[in-house]
Parts: sequence; C-alpha cells; structure tokens
Amino acid sequence: QQPVQSPQAVILREGEDAVINCSSSKALYSVHWYRQKHGEAPVFLMILLKGGEQKGHDKISASFNEKKQQSSLYLTASQLSYSGTYFCGTEITSGTYKYIFGTGTRLKVLA
Amino acid sequence: SAVISQKPSRDICQRGTSLTIQCQVDSQVTMMFWYRQQPGQSLTLIATANQGSEATYESGFVIDKFPISRPNLTFSTLTVSNMSPEDSSIYLCSVGGENTEAFFGQGTRLTVV
Repeated sequence: QQPVQSPQAVILREGEDAVINCSSSKALYSVHWYRQKHGEAPVFLMILLKGGEQKGHDKISASFNEKKQQSSLYLTASQLSYSGTYFCGTEITSGTYKYIFGTGTRLKVLA
Repeated sequence: SAVISQKPSRDICQRGTSLTIQCQVDSQVTMMFWYRQQPGQSLTLIATANQGSEATYESGFVIDKFPISRPNLTFSTLTVSNMSPEDSSIYLCSVGGENTEAFFGQGTRLTVV
C-alpha cells in the first residue's frame, strides 16, 4: 500500500535538475510532498488534489497523474539547501482515514 | 497551521521498561497520528489517535505494545512498552486533515540499551 518512490537516492551538482517519482498500486486521493533534513521533522512542500494538477513555487514543482496513480516532483537549478530526503504522502480515505508516506528519496546537492 | 510540542526529544532507556511520549497541539485537531521512523527509512504509521475512543492500529502494531491515549483534541500520548533494542527509533506525532498539509512534532529519538 505504501507508495514507491524512485530513484532511492540521487546526487547532484548545484544548478542541476532532478525528478523524483512517486507511484502507487492503489488510487491516489491526493498527493503531498515533504522534505526532511537530517534530525528534523518533515516539512510540507505542496499538495496536489486533482489529476493533472501541477503546482510549483520557487524552482520546485510537481505534477499529479491520477489515472496512472503517479506523481512527480521536479527540482530545477538545484541549490545546496535542497539536500534532504523527499517523501510523497497520500491520504487513505477508505475505512478509517489515515495518512501514509512513500519510501523516500535521498537527495544530495554538491557545491 | 498547527504547532506541536513533543516531549521528550530524546531518551535512553533500559530494555524491559516503558517510555511515554507526549504531544501537545496549540489548537484543537480532529486527526492525530503516530509514526515510527527507523534510521534512513520512511515514516511508518503506527496508529491513528481518536479522541474519546480507542486508537486505530496499523498492521504489525498492537495496543499492548503501543498504548495510546487521546483525552482531548489537543493532546495525545504514545507509550512504548516493555522495550527492546528493536524499538530504538524516532517516534513522531502528526496532525492533519483531509486535503490539508500534515504538521509534525520534532520527534523523539529513542535508544534502548
């Protein structure tokens, strides 16, 4: 049931781009994206509620393909501050409401 | 938004003992969740804390091992009982709702020796 993310890890140089994918075997009600730095709690990046929705702020954006049960996070012109672990999350609304996270993608940006 | 105060931030405990983790939210929230995060891993949902009723546990987690209290809409506790080294992990509480972002406490880093 846990969404699967790819790649598991990626190393970039400053200024390079990256794409992180989130794929679910079940229908996605919504997709959230979070970034977690070492020793800290996850921090919300954005939420996508509708299939086909795209969002972005600064140089980080995301898309949601509801039919394919997938979401992608795009990081362009990466900065050192982008380093961390990225998680997609989704709400499960069948039965008791709950919130689960994807497998995670570790991203490291080098100077 | 919600601000969550989670205590303790870390602890080292002897095996066989229990630790209670507290989360206090600065506003009333309906949904509160408890997660475990092993080093280098994702967040695994332990249970949903329901106000006024028993918590709803995920597969692999049982009430005897992880009893949860939710006496009101701003507070919850998670107890890790009869601890073993395998329980060493980070435990996080979180609040959220449908179509809204989740907010997290700062986490409790537990080491069982």
